[in-house]
Amino acid sequence: SSELTQDPAVSVALGQTVRITCRGDSLRSNYATWYQQKPGQAPVLVSYGKDNRPSGVPDRFSGSNSGNTASLTITGAQAEDEADYYCNSRDSSGHHWVFGGGTKLTVL
Amino acid sequence: QAQLVQSGAEMKKPGASVKVSCKASGYTFTGYYMHWVRQAPGQGLEWMGWINPHSGVTKYAPKFQGRVTMTRDTSISTAYLDLNSLRSDDMAIYYCAGELHNNAFDIWGQGTVVTVSS
Repeated sequence: SSELTQDPAVSVALGQTVRITCRGDSLRSNYATWYQQKPGQAPVLVSYGKDNRPSGVPDRFSGSNSGNTASLTITGAQAEDEADYYCNSRDSSGHHWVFGGGTKLTVL
Repeated sequence: QAQLVQSGAEMKKPGASVKVSCKASGYTFTGYYMHWVRQAPGQGLEWMGWINPHSGVTKYAPKFQGRVTMTRDTSISTAYLDLNSLRSDDMAIYYCAGELHNNAFDIWGQGTVVTVSS
């Protein structure tokens, strides 16, 4: 299967920890990459590979993979973290990429 | 710093073609794959394909095979997306994204809105 499945919506209380998950067969052999997208803006890379973050991304964002599931964990969520989050990886063939459907994160 | 700047909004009739450009600066254009991703109104991200700017080799998502062409002009560090036989469901924001790290779309263009309407 070349699909990645995400929960459509997740909420977290301000300052608490939240895990956003992404499931798919391709994740057994490929790391997930995570993007944050705020309304009216282009996506921004927040996590890639084995828990790598681009310069400028706060260390409260961390990524992990286990079996067919990838997770983006935000430890101590802030109001500015409210956004849509998308996972992405190569598909099982390795030649194409696929995105998850996205998770809308609400910070309460 | 690395940057991608895309061409402006387009309005096309059904059946027409659209060509979107993506100009790279601040990094070696031919050193990194360029991907194209689109997002329909209120929907998620959809990967369309990639081009290797060095060789010109491309790989397209099966959904777009036969209707999409990705090219580049290395002399001006610009990648292009051509989509033909436009339909109403091709209305979307089209993004270029540079893969500066393996399997990561590190930098994104600002997006190009394509409207398809008769």
